[in-house]
Amino acid sequence: GIQVEQSPPDLILQEGANSTLRCNFSDSVNNLQWFHQNPWGQLINLFYIPSGTKQNGRLSATTVATERYSLLYISSSQTTDSGVYFCAVPTSGTYKYIFGTGTRLKVLA
Amino acid sequence: DVKVTQSSRYLVKRTGEKVFLECVQDMDHENMFWYRQDPGLGLRLIYFSYDVKMKEKGDIPEGYSVSREKKERFSLILESASTNQTSMYLCASSPSWRANSYEQYFGPGTRLTVT
Repeated sequence: GIQVEQSPPDLILQEGANSTLRCNFSDSVNNLQWFHQNPWGQLINLFYIPSGTKQNGRLSATTVATERYSLLYISSSQTTDSGVYFCAVPTSGTYKYIFGTGTRLKVLA
Repeated sequence: DVKVTQSSRYLVKRTGEKVFLECVQDMDHENMFWYRQDPGLGLRLIYFSYDVKMKEKGDIPEGYSVSREKKERFSLILESASTNQTSMYLCASSPSWRANSYEQYFGPGTRLTVT
């Protein structure tokens, strides 16, 4: 089955710094989602991005489906950005989503 | 905005009790999911439903059952709770995979402790 890997596994930043999180997948996909899991455990939708680039405030994401990766950019990080970031892809023609192992981000004040 | 709600944020139950976790979505989505999340193991799919009264087992269905009597509501049942079912339970919904976009939306989660 499809494998989804995220890097780095852990990241510590000073407030105001920028960062790039990466999601690699082993097979072609027709959609991809990025989530932020906040300290209370809820998974918040960030982007639904099968290809191309999207931006939402300080966050943006790029998926290059032909190269089998997606990047999440966080600019001017804030302490509220702390948490775990997951990417997820659906297996082709089925209901099942495969989640990456996540990147744990800590932003220090 | 899509809203997925779960009946409890925190729940403490005793071993052997029957436990019901409920999930409600307000976007008329066909698909609903139950996951559990444990440190080091990531999100694991317990059960999935693609329509009313329809269900399919996920990766770890043992010890769980589900019920979907109405489109907006998906219940997870622990018939006889055990300590190894202590976990974070996450419900999600999405449109049918036949739709142009089948973005998945999550509820706030239920932290279940079985003592």
